Amino acid sequence: GEDVEQSLFLSVREGDSSVINCTYTDSSSTYLYWYKQEPGAGLQLLTYIFSNMDMKQDQRLTVLLNKKDKHLSLRIADTQTGDSAIYFCAEAEDNFNKFYFGSGTKLNVKP
Amino acid sequence: DTEVTQTPKHLVMGMTNKKSLKCEQHMGHRAMYWYKQKAKKPPELMFVYSYEKLSINESVPSRFSPECPNSSLLNLHLHALQPEDSALYLCASSQETGQVFGNEQFFGPGTRLTVL
Repeated sequence: GEDVEQSLFLSVREGDSSVINCTYTDSSSTYLYWYKQEPGAGLQLLTYIFSNMDMKQDQRLTVLLNKKDKHLSLRIADTQTGDSAIYFCAEAEDNFNKFYFGSGTKLNVKP
Repeated sequence: DTEVTQTPKHLVMGMTNKKSLKCEQHMGHRAMYWYKQKAKKPPELMFVYSYEKLSINESVPSRFSPECPNSSLLNLHLHALQPEDSALYLCASSQETGQVFGNEQFFGPGTRLTVL
Protein backbone atom coordinates (compact mmCIF):
# COMPACT_ATOMS: atom_id res chain seq x y z
CA GLY A 1 0.00 0.00 0.00
CA GLU A 2 0.90 3.64 -0.04
CA ASP A 3 2.84 5.32 2.74
CA VAL A 4 0.95 8.10 4.52
CA GLU A 5 2.63 9.59 7.57
CA GLN A 6 1.48 11.87 10.35
CA SER A 7 2.91 12.98 13.66
CA LEU A 8 1.20 11.13 16.51
CA PHE A 9 0.33 13.90 18.97
CA LEU A 10 -0.45 17.60 19.06
CA SER A 11 -1.40 19.61 22.11
CA VAL A 12 -2.75 23.17 21.91
CA ARG A 13 -4.58 25.63 24.14
CA GLU A 14 -8.20 26.51 23.53
CA GLY A 15 -8.45 29.46 21.15
CA ASP A 16 -5.09 28.79 19.49
CA SER A 17 -4.70 27.47 15.94
CA SER A 18 -3.82 23.81 15.39
CA VAL A 19 -1.85 22.60 12.40
CA ILE A 20 -1.83 18.89 11.65
CA ASN A 21 0.61 17.67 9.00
CA CYS A 22 0.60 14.71 6.65
CA THR A 23 2.99 13.42 4.00
CA TYR A 24 2.06 10.92 1.31
CA THR A 25 3.87 9.06 -1.44
CA ASP A 26 1.42 8.51 -4.30
CA SER A 27 1.83 11.41 -6.72
CA SER A 28 -1.15 10.18 -8.75
CA SER A 29 -3.62 10.75 -5.90
CA THR A 30 -6.46 12.88 -7.19
CA TYR A 31 -8.15 13.64 -3.90
CA LEU A 32 -6.82 13.87 -0.37
CA TYR A 33 -9.09 13.78 2.65
CA TRP A 34 -9.16 14.70 6.30
CA TYR A 35 -11.27 12.67 8.74
CA LYS A 36 -11.94 13.15 12.45
CA GLN A 37 -12.51 10.27 14.86
CA GLU A 38 -13.80 10.79 18.37
CA PRO A 39 -13.32 8.04 20.98
CA GLY A 40 -15.37 4.93 20.22
CA ALA A 41 -16.89 6.46 17.09
CA GLY A 42 -16.60 6.09 13.34
CA LEU A 43 -14.77 8.49 11.05
CA GLN A 44 -16.34 11.82 10.20
CA LEU A 45 -15.31 13.45 6.94
CA LEU A 46 -14.09 17.00 7.58
CA THR A 47 -12.96 18.12 4.17
CA TYR A 48 -11.11 17.05 1.04
CA ILE A 49 -8.96 18.76 -1.55
CA PHE A 50 -8.52 18.11 -5.23
CA SER A 51 -4.90 17.67 -6.24
CA ASN A 52 -4.91 20.64 -8.64
CA MET A 53 -5.74 22.98 -5.75
CA ASP A 54 -3.22 24.27 -3.26
CA MET A 55 -5.64 25.61 -0.68
CA LYS A 56 -9.19 25.06 0.43
CA GLN A 57 -10.98 26.90 3.23
CA ASP A 58 -14.14 25.77 4.96
CA GLN A 59 -15.15 27.84 7.99
CA ARG A 60 -12.50 27.17 10.67
CA LEU A 61 -10.68 24.62 8.54
CA THR A 62 -7.94 25.42 6.02
CA VAL A 63 -6.29 22.69 3.97
CA LEU A 64 -2.96 23.39 2.31
CA LEU A 65 -1.51 21.08 -0.31
CA ASN A 66 2.08 21.17 -1.53
CA LYS A 67 1.99 18.68 -4.35
CA LYS A 68 5.69 18.98 -5.14
CA ASP A 69 6.63 17.96 -1.59
CA LYS A 70 3.61 15.65 -1.21
CA HIS A 71 2.69 17.49 1.97
CA LEU A 72 -0.84 18.12 3.22
CA SER A 73 -1.84 20.13 6.27
CA LEU A 74 -5.02 20.88 8.15
CA ARG A 75 -5.25 24.12 10.08
CA ILE A 76 -8.03 24.51 12.65
CA ALA A 77 -8.58 28.11 13.68
CA ASP A 78 -9.80 29.01 17.18
CA THR A 79 -9.45 25.40 18.38
CA GLN A 80 -12.11 24.32 20.86
CA THR A 81 -12.15 21.50 23.43
CA GLY A 82 -14.70 19.76 21.20
CA ASP A 83 -12.01 19.50 18.52
CA SER A 84 -10.09 17.02 20.69
CA ALA A 85 -10.01 13.82 18.63
CA ILE A 86 -7.80 11.80 16.32
CA TYR A 87 -7.36 13.29 12.84
CA PHE A 88 -6.57 11.05 9.89
CA CYS A 89 -5.43 12.13 6.47
CA ALA A 90 -6.15 9.75 3.60
CA GLU A 91 -5.24 9.45 -0.02
CA ALA A 92 -7.25 7.43 -2.49
CA GLU A 93 -5.78 5.05 -5.06
CA ASP A 94 -7.24 5.74 -8.48
CA ASN A 95 -9.10 2.72 -9.70
CA PHE A 96 -10.91 1.30 -6.72
CA ASN A 97 -11.03 4.27 -4.38
CA LYS A 98 -8.83 2.38 -1.94
CA PHE A 99 -8.15 4.75 0.90
CA TYR A 100 -4.77 4.72 2.58
CA PHE A 101 -4.93 6.34 5.98
CA GLY A 102 -2.15 7.99 7.90
CA SER A 103 -1.43 6.80 11.42
CA GLY A 104 -3.62 9.54 12.87
CA THR A 105 -2.73 12.60 14.95
CA LYS A 106 -4.24 12.81 18.41
CA LEU A 107 -5.17 16.43 19.06
CA ASN A 108 -5.50 17.41 22.70
CA VAL A 109 -7.04 20.82 23.37
CA LYS A 110 -6.37 22.21 26.82
CA PRO A 111 -8.88 24.66 28.34
CA ASP B 1 -30.14 10.84 4.45
CA THR B 2 -26.34 10.95 4.63
CA GLU B 3 -25.97 8.25 7.21
CA VAL B 4 -24.35 4.84 7.25
CA THR B 5 -25.76 2.65 9.99
CA GLN B 6 -24.17 -0.43 11.52
CA THR B 7 -25.56 -3.08 13.80
CA PRO B 8 -24.86 -4.27 16.37
CA LYS B 9 -22.93 -1.55 18.15
CA HIS B 10 -21.09 -4.07 20.31
CA LEU B 11 -20.63 -7.83 19.86
CA VAL B 12 -18.98 -10.38 22.10
CA MET B 13 -18.53 -13.85 20.64
CA GLY B 14 -16.70 -17.06 21.36
CA MET B 15 -14.27 -18.65 18.95
CA THR B 16 -16.82 -21.28 17.88
CA ASN B 17 -19.70 -18.86 17.29
CA LYS B 18 -21.13 -17.68 13.98
CA LYS B 19 -22.32 -14.07 13.87
CA SER B 20 -22.94 -11.34 11.31
CA LEU B 21 -22.30 -7.62 11.17
CA LYS B 22 -24.71 -5.47 9.18
CA CYS B 23 -24.29 -2.17 7.39
CA GLU B 24 -26.90 -0.09 5.59
CA GLN B 25 -26.92 3.11 3.57
CA HIS B 26 -29.67 4.88 1.63
CA MET B 27 -27.59 7.44 -0.23
CA GLY B 28 -27.71 5.54 -3.52
CA HIS B 29 -24.01 4.75 -3.22
CA ARG B 30 -22.78 1.87 -5.34
CA ALA B 31 -19.48 1.23 -3.54
CA MET B 32 -19.31 -0.20 -0.03
CA TYR B 33 -16.32 -1.07 2.11
CA TRP B 34 -15.36 -3.01 5.23
CA TYR B 35 -12.46 -1.80 7.35
CA LYS B 36 -10.88 -3.21 10.50
CA GLN B 37 -9.45 -0.81 13.06
CA LYS B 38 -7.34 -1.94 15.98
CA ALA B 39 -6.86 0.37 18.96
CA LYS B 40 -4.70 3.42 18.26
CA LYS B 41 -4.24 2.38 14.60
CA PRO B 42 -5.71 3.67 11.34
CA PRO B 43 -8.47 1.74 9.61
CA GLU B 44 -7.25 -1.05 7.33
CA LEU B 45 -9.24 -1.95 4.26
CA MET B 46 -10.67 -5.49 4.15
CA PHE B 47 -13.16 -5.61 1.26
CA VAL B 48 -14.53 -3.37 -1.47
CA TYR B 49 -17.86 -3.98 -3.20
CA SER B 50 -18.70 -2.17 -6.41
CA TYR B 51 -22.23 -2.49 -7.82
CA GLU B 52 -22.86 -5.41 -5.45
CA LYS B 53 -19.85 -7.34 -6.72
CA LEU B 54 -16.72 -8.01 -4.69
CA SER B 55 -13.93 -5.95 -6.27
CA ILE B 56 -11.19 -6.19 -3.68
CA ASN B 57 -10.33 -8.70 -0.98
CA GLU B 58 -7.21 -7.54 0.83
CA SER B 59 -6.04 -11.07 1.60
CA VAL B 60 -8.53 -11.37 4.42
CA PRO B 61 -8.76 -14.82 6.12
CA SER B 62 -11.76 -16.90 5.05
CA ARG B 63 -13.22 -16.76 8.56
CA PHE B 64 -14.50 -13.33 7.41
CA SER B 65 -17.07 -13.65 4.65
CA PRO B 66 -18.62 -10.52 3.11
CA GLU B 67 -21.97 -10.39 1.38
CA CYS B 68 -23.77 -7.63 -0.48
CA PRO B 69 -27.42 -8.73 -0.89
CA ASN B 70 -28.46 -5.44 -2.52
CA SER B 71 -27.12 -1.97 -3.20
CA SER B 72 -28.08 -0.68 0.27
CA LEU B 73 -26.87 -3.54 2.44
CA LEU B 74 -23.50 -5.00 3.28
CA ASN B 75 -22.95 -7.89 5.66
CA LEU B 76 -19.85 -9.40 7.19
CA HIS B 77 -20.28 -13.00 8.32
CA LEU B 78 -17.96 -14.16 11.07
CA HIS B 79 -17.07 -17.75 11.88
CA ALA B 80 -14.33 -19.34 14.01
CA LEU B 81 -12.70 -16.03 14.84
CA GLN B 82 -9.59 -15.64 16.94
CA PRO B 83 -9.05 -13.26 19.89
CA GLU B 84 -6.71 -11.17 17.72
CA ASP B 85 -9.70 -10.41 15.48
CA SER B 86 -11.11 -8.23 18.25
CA ALA B 87 -11.33 -4.71 16.80
CA LEU B 88 -13.67 -1.98 15.63
CA TYR B 89 -15.21 -2.96 12.29
CA LEU B 90 -16.15 0.01 10.17
CA CYS B 91 -18.37 0.07 7.14
CA ALA B 92 -18.18 2.88 4.58
CA SER B 93 -19.86 3.80 1.32
CA SER B 94 -19.10 6.13 -1.58
CA GLN B 95 -20.77 7.08 -4.85
CA GLU B 96 -18.72 4.53 -6.70
CA THR B 97 -15.16 3.28 -6.79
CA GLY B 98 -13.73 5.48 -9.52
CA GLN B 99 -11.99 8.81 -8.93
CA VAL B 100 -15.09 10.88 -9.58
CA PHE B 101 -15.68 14.30 -8.05
CA GLY B 102 -15.18 14.07 -4.32
CA ASN B 103 -16.10 10.40 -3.96
CA GLU B 104 -15.53 10.68 -0.28
CA GLN B 105 -16.25 7.67 1.83
CA PHE B 106 -18.94 8.02 4.47
CA PHE B 107 -18.32 5.88 7.53
CA GLY B 108 -20.69 4.21 9.93
CA PRO B 109 -20.12 4.31 13.70
CA GLY B 110 -18.61 0.82 13.70
CA THR B 111 -19.20 -2.44 15.53
CA ARG B 112 -16.90 -3.07 18.49
CA LEU B 113 -16.14 -6.80 18.31
CA THR B 114 -14.63 -8.79 21.15
CA VAL B 115 -13.65 -12.42 20.58
CA LEU B 116 -13.19 -14.46 23.72
